[in-house]
Amino acid sequence: AQSVTQLDSHVSVSEGTPVLLRCNYSSSYSPSLFWYVQHPNKGLQLLLKYTSAATLVKGINGFEAEFKKSETSFHLTKPSAHMSDAAEYFCVVSEGGTYKYIFGTGTRLKVLA
Amino acid sequence: GAVVSQHPSWVICKSGTSVKIECRSLDFQATTMFWYRQFPKQSLMLMATSNEGSKATYEQGVEKDKFLINHASLTLSTLTVTSAHPEDSSFYICSEKGLAGGSNYNEQFFGPGTRLTVL
Repeated sequence: AQSVTQLDSHVSVSEGTPVLLRCNYSSSYSPSLFWYVQHPNKGLQLLLKYTSAATLVKGINGFEAEFKKSETSFHLTKPSAHMSDAAEYFCVVSEGGTYKYIFGTGTRLKVLA
Repeated sequence: GAVVSQHPSWVICKSGTSVKIECRSLDFQATTMFWYRQFPKQSLMLMATSNEGSKATYEQGVEKDKFLINHASLTLSTLTVTSAHPEDSSFYICSEKGLAGGSNYNEQFFGPGTRLTVL
């Protein structure tokens, strides 16, 4: 069975410093992995996705993630945090065949001025 | 990517009444849609998979008679919360699956969500 673990429920960074949101997955075959962002009382916005092409994936708003099969990780990074990055971030693995999404528990990013 | 709308964006109802939430695909025909619920400060939980022209497939623990899903057309799926109770208060989000054969075939496109409050 597939699963996703987001290692930190809360992350706080200062504005202008790097962001690292951690995600580990479990999958019996090559997974499709996604990062979504959710601002309060809003729907989900796709940041980036990995679908067995390049292992380093660049997304919107300066975010990127690296797929590391040996570590079963798909951590999300950004070189310099902005106040507008404060939100909830979800790591997702897509289940093959049914294309169901399996969500991580989320990481709330707080950006300090 | 696809554009998905939901209506209403928020609704307040009395305990015991039924509420219908609509999920529309605005730019392509969606054969498969998904319904999620999200409790405050929690992750999304898949409730059911809605397939056009057939019965929805519910996840374990989700009462199909309480959460009625209808996907009668390729652009509209509805979720009806029947005999709603305060514990049904939640944020309900729908999504549609990308087109088979397209570059986004394994991606889901999410609606903006519907906030349901049951008094």
